[in-house]
Amino acid sequence: DTGVSQDPRHKITKRGQNVTFRCDPISEHNRLYWYRQTLGQGPEFLTYFQNEAQLEKSRLLSDRFSAERPKGSFSTLEIQRTEQGDSAMYLCASSRGPINDNEQFFGPGTRLTVL
Amino acid sequence: AQKITQTQPGMFVQEKEAVTLDCTYDTSDPSYGLFWYKQPSSGEMIFLIYQGSYDQQNATEGRYSLNFQKARKSANLVISASQLGDSAMYFCAMRENNRDDKIIFGKGTRLHILP
Repeated sequence: DTGVSQDPRHKITKRGQNVTFRCDPISEHNRLYWYRQTLGQGPEFLTYFQNEAQLEKSRLLSDRFSAERPKGSFSTLEIQRTEQGDSAMYLCASSRGPINDNEQFFGPGTRLTVL
Repeated sequence: AQKITQTQPGMFVQEKEAVTLDCTYDTSDPSYGLFWYKQPSSGEMIFLIYQGSYDQQNATEGRYSLNFQKARKSANLVISASQLGDSAMYFCAMRENNRDDKIIFGKGTRLHILP
């Protein structure tokens, strides 16, 4: 399978715990994006990388959230001190870049439930 | 202000009929791209079709076509000969090319195809 993969697919945690999600983009894709989707809504942009550089962060990305893409390949999204409002589907996408590339390919998502 | 507006929260359509999903957008950027994604109940986001703001012709991909009316800032998705497998959430989205590379999604339309 050469698509975008995400791990884990589901995560249940208690409030206050830290969680980390991983995204493996399509291998030749330079750009990697994180989105969050809450129930009944469309995905909302969180952040994106061009290779290892984090180029933009949404205001949705509070200081409890941190994302990395250390070698320009896979990326991790960490949420510290989780809150119930963090419960959502976290989607990763990748694209060839540069800008004007037509398609972002999405992974299956990680569904986070904070109890 | 909403960048992407999808006014139909849900639609019911008889199998084999054509269906139009409405989308209007708001941007002052002369260069932008418009997307439609399908999200089945399994959760993955599936790219359907793309229209660039400078494209002269409406985009088509198999049974999908995008009715692009630039002056009205409208980008409706038309699905011809609907199938039961078309039942899903459909998201209209936009990328403003001169701002950044993130995609802004609408709230979606849930399409139900009736046998």
